Parts: sequence; structure tokens; C-alpha cells
Amino acid sequence: DTEVTQTPKHLVMGMTNKKSLKCEQHMGHRAMYWYKQKAKKPPELMFVYSYEKLSINESVPSRFSPECPNSSLLNLHLHALQPEDSALYLCASSQYDRDNSPLHFGNGTRLTVT
Amino acid sequence: GESVGLHLPTLSVQEGDNSIINCAYSNSASDYFIWYKQESGKGPQFIIDIRSNMDKRQGQRVTVLLNKTVKHLSLQIAATQPGDSAVYFCAENRPNTDKLIFGTGTRLQVFP
Repeated sequence: DTEVTQTPKHLVMGMTNKKSLKCEQHMGHRAMYWYKQKAKKPPELMFVYSYEKLSINESVPSRFSPECPNSSLLNLHLHALQPEDSALYLCASSQYDRDNSPLHFGNGTRLTVT
Repeated sequence: GESVGLHLPTLSVQEGDNSIINCAYSNSASDYFIWYKQESGKGPQFIIDIRSNMDKRQGQRVTVLLNKTVKHLSLQIAATQPGDSAVYFCAENRPNTDKLIFGTGTRLQVFP
């Protein structure tokens, strides 16, 4: 079992829907990440939060809106998605007050946009 | 068995043999490297890491080698087991950023 918990595990949504993905960690990590992974491809970085502030946005379309309510929680709000946005969305966290620490991943939310 | 992990190739090895998974990274300034294992339906799982001031690091049944001259990273798995079957990704940390960038991955299949 992973120490990063993502909900829901699976999500099917229409192109006009609004939904949110949730991520939670209780390891005291101060950096949290969203990655997108298509089938048979590596994870691609979307967003990075450090100390609850957005530090990196990898030119992600505005239909994806991240939110970090506190140091343990990370959300990804979805609106007006396209079928090509169907993918596995992975959340990760890492210690930020130490140089070079590994990311710990959750098991992802499998998103299907119809 | 050995592979070059650039286009998600598949490495097939017999149970008990040693496996070598290779990775070419892109940025000569990258200072930290991680190997992840991803099983079907799961997120990437940390295996081992290495900093750029090291050439070799050993864990339990795994060894990572770093050759900065040619920007090459390898993961050696000793006595490969069926539970090692997964996709393996190398990842590089871009210096002075929070960016961890993944390589294309290699699928390891272990047969009896």
C-alpha cells in the first residue's frame, strides 16, 4: 500500500462535467505533484506545489485547475475536458526541506472522458 | 538480459538470471537520479536513487550505476524473480528545479 492516497480510483466524466481528483499524504512532505500518464508512456509532470504554493505549471490547459488547501491535501479540478485527456493521473509528494529526496506516488485515478 | 530503455522495449529474462535495464538521460546538469518500478494498475514505486557525485549504489538485490561521461544510468537486478515483472522507469532531477523527468521505460518480463 502507498502512503499517498488518491480518490477516486476510477472516474468517468462527460465533456461538460465538473469533477475533482483528490490526493492526501500524511508523511509531512512539503512538496506535492500532479503527473499525467498515458498508456505505455512515462508520467508527465503537470504541476508542483511547494509549501502550499504553486511553483511549477508545465503549460497545462486551464481546464485543469490545481488546488492545495493545506500541506496534506492536493486537488485537481477538472472542467470541460476532452476525450484526449483520458489518462492515469498520479499524485506524488516529497520532502522539500532536504536536497534530492525521492517522490512517493499514489496509485492514481484512472480518468475516462466520454 | 540487457536492454536500452528508450522506446519502451521489453526485456525477457529467466527466473534466477540477472537483469540489466539501461537508460540514457538527457541533461548533463541533472544531479539526482531515481529508478521506479510500476506494476499494472499501480503508481510508480521507488526502488533506488543515486546522486551525481556517486558512480554506484547498491540496495537489496539491486545496483544502480551512473556514467556521467556518456549520460547513462543502469539498474541491475540480481536473481530476478517473477515479482520483478513490471515497467521500470529512470527519472532525472533537473538542478535548481522541482522537476523530476521520466525516461521512456522498459518492460521486464520474467519467465520460469
